[in-house]
Amino acid sequence: DAGVIQSPRHEVTEMGQEVTLRCKPISGHDYLFWYRQTMMRGLELLIYFNNNVPIDDSGMPEDRFSAKMPNASFSTLKIQPSEPRDSAVYFCASSRQGSTNEKLFFGSGTQLSVL
Amino acid sequence: KQEVTQIPAALSVPEGENLVLNCSFTDSAIYNLQWFRQDPGKGLTSLLLIQSSQREQTSGRLNASLDKSSGRSTLYIAASQPGDSATYLCAVKTGANNLFFGTGTRLTVIP
Repeated sequence: DAGVIQSPRHEVTEMGQEVTLRCKPISGHDYLFWYRQTMMRGLELLIYFNNNVPIDDSGMPEDRFSAKMPNASFSTLKIQPSEPRDSAVYFCASSRQGSTNEKLFFGSGTQLSVL
Repeated sequence: KQEVTQIPAALSVPEGENLVLNCSFTDSAIYNLQWFRQDPGKGLTSLLLIQSSQREQTSGRLNASLDKSSGRSTLYIAASQPGDSATYLCAVKTGANNLFFGTGTRLTVIP
């Protein structure tokens, strides 16, 4: 298995532009998570899905952020409009349903810079 | 809210030394605790997962212990190697599917 695949690896954009981050979870995994990592706040959970359904989006910072999972093999995180304070590394992760003790597998992340 | 603390924030040791990384959490009602490794510019790799009912887990040169009642976990690395240099994060799972992460310990193993 190729693992969790994220694209793009790096994104540089200007303030006000729309940004879309993409994630392909590991096949067979029923849970998908979006995390954000910054030096100041560490790793924060933004939202997670179970069987393509958003379960908890309480970590989404504001309405500028939205996430979708149209099918079991694809998810997007969109920021519109983007702001410099959104600059961070965004990680997607997936795990298998059925046990509370399944490991979490992370993608390589998207380094986002908003100028 | 669960808070996870890792001490020290950074650690440098000579190759071959045994070392211990510490993790503490404020709410003992956890499902499990995971130790992750993160290399620069990369994602996180799960190293060990300890269930709430377990005391420790071992994988190769790594041993993780859990004392849930005191809110503590340690990651022991035996005979450290330069390839062990990375940031190590612990995370606790509490209810639902949220993992609360510590800020990590940056380990440097000097050849």
